[in-house]
Amino acid sequence: DAGVTQSPTHLIKTRGQQVTLRCSPKSGHDTVSWYQQALGQGPQFIFQYYEEEERQRGNFPDRFSGHQFPNYSSELNVNALLLGDSALYLCASSLSSGVFSRKDGQFFGPGTRLTVL
Amino acid sequence: AQTVTQSQPEMSVQEAETVTLSCTYDTSESDYYLFWYKQPPSRQMILVIRQEAYKQQNATENRFSVNFQKAAKSFSLKISDSQLGDAAMYFCAYRGNAGNMLTFGGGTRLMVKP
Repeated sequence: DAGVTQSPTHLIKTRGQQVTLRCSPKSGHDTVSWYQQALGQGPQFIFQYYEEEERQRGNFPDRFSGHQFPNYSSELNVNALLLGDSALYLCASSLSSGVFSRKDGQFFGPGTRLTVL
Repeated sequence: AQTVTQSQPEMSVQEAETVTLSCTYDTSESDYYLFWYKQPPSRQMILVIRQEAYKQQNATENRFSVNFQKAAKSFSLKISDSQLGDAAMYFCAYRGNAGNMLTFGGGTRLMVKP
């Protein structure tokens, strides 16, 4: 059973560019969440997608946008990159309903390390 | 908004000994879930243990157990018989009753000495 996968593993961009990160959820999961983890800090919630719509959003600017596809995979897009966007971007999947959905934590992927120069 | 605080940036333990990592949180909700995640150098977050707030009994998973004090809003993780593979960043996380987002603490780096 494949867990959460993310691509690419590493990415280097320059300021002002745009980037797209990809995530495939764990088999059977229908909800994808994205987190930003700056170096030495805990992850910060960006947003969550369910049924191809953004269901919940953290305190991130509109430069951060996303998409969920019918197969539940997801993309995170960041426009007009800033140096401060350099971080590890984590994707997490979960199941939206059912007896286990609330008590289960989210299953995380290995992350994409984004460096903005 | 909920906040999660981990006051120990780094902890060290001797192999085979016991260590306790601290976590406090702030919330006005009565129903919620708390988690401890481990993040090794490979970067992948791994769920260690979870606790439902409505359960008085502390959760236990093999060598890992928690001390959940709801009134004090405290949720500490105890690791018994520490092993070299336990060395990692440990994050405490909160999930409220509404929505599915996790709020994380700043993490504690655990070092295990042979």
